[in-house]
Amino acid sequence: AQKVTQAQTEISVVEKEDVTLDCVYETRDTTYYLFWYKQPPSGELVFLIRRNSFDEQNEISGRYSWNFQKSTSSFNFTITASQVVDSAVYFCALSEAKGGGNKLTFGTGTQLKVEL
Amino acid sequence: KAGVTQTPRYLIKTRGQQVTLSCSPISGHRSVSWYQQTPGQGLQFLFEYFSETQRNKGNFPGRFSGRQFSNSRSEMNVSTLELGDSALYLCASSLVEADTQYFGPGTRLTVL
Repeated sequence: AQKVTQAQTEISVVEKEDVTLDCVYETRDTTYYLFWYKQPPSGELVFLIRRNSFDEQNEISGRYSWNFQKSTSSFNFTITASQVVDSAVYFCALSEAKGGGNKLTFGTGTQLKVEL
Repeated sequence: KAGVTQTPRYLIKTRGQQVTLSCSPISGHRSVSWYQQTPGQGLQFLFEYFSETQRNKGNFPGRFSGRQFSNSRSEMNVSTLELGDSALYLCASSLVEADTQYFGPGTRLTVL
């Protein structure tokens, strides 16, 4: 069965600090997809990134970067120079190609608080 | 393009009643999935519909059901509501299978 673990329940940083959110996943499928979503207080899940299991290239998008390592089953997310607007709950999620690939299994989320 | 829309945004019901939630996907998207979010259980997959057919189902009792119409709009129904059904219900749509899912703002259901 697929599983996603986000061991960090809450992280507090001061603005401009760098912060890394950890995500470890388990799956028996050889083809799978990894995601990060942001959930601000309004409740809507905002898509940030998707990674396919066969693409281990790291990605950078502005202040955001993602480190995908199949060897350790991890898909970590780093925010550089954090800002107050980054405060939200961040979810890592996994879907397997078997069954169509649209059933997301979420981690428990990491609450990020960025203070001035 | 307009995003995923969900109606109503807030609902208050009493135990034993039933409720229907509606979701309109992004134009052109054919897959609609539903998730339940509670403080205790987190985000859990309910079911997915693709071209009017239920393709996947999560571990929820039969009181939870859904359907999809020919225009890809979807509804989910919860019968005989229980206090534990109080949650944020999120709908997501994607273009095709194994594609990125985009979420709506959710419907917050409170059962008294």
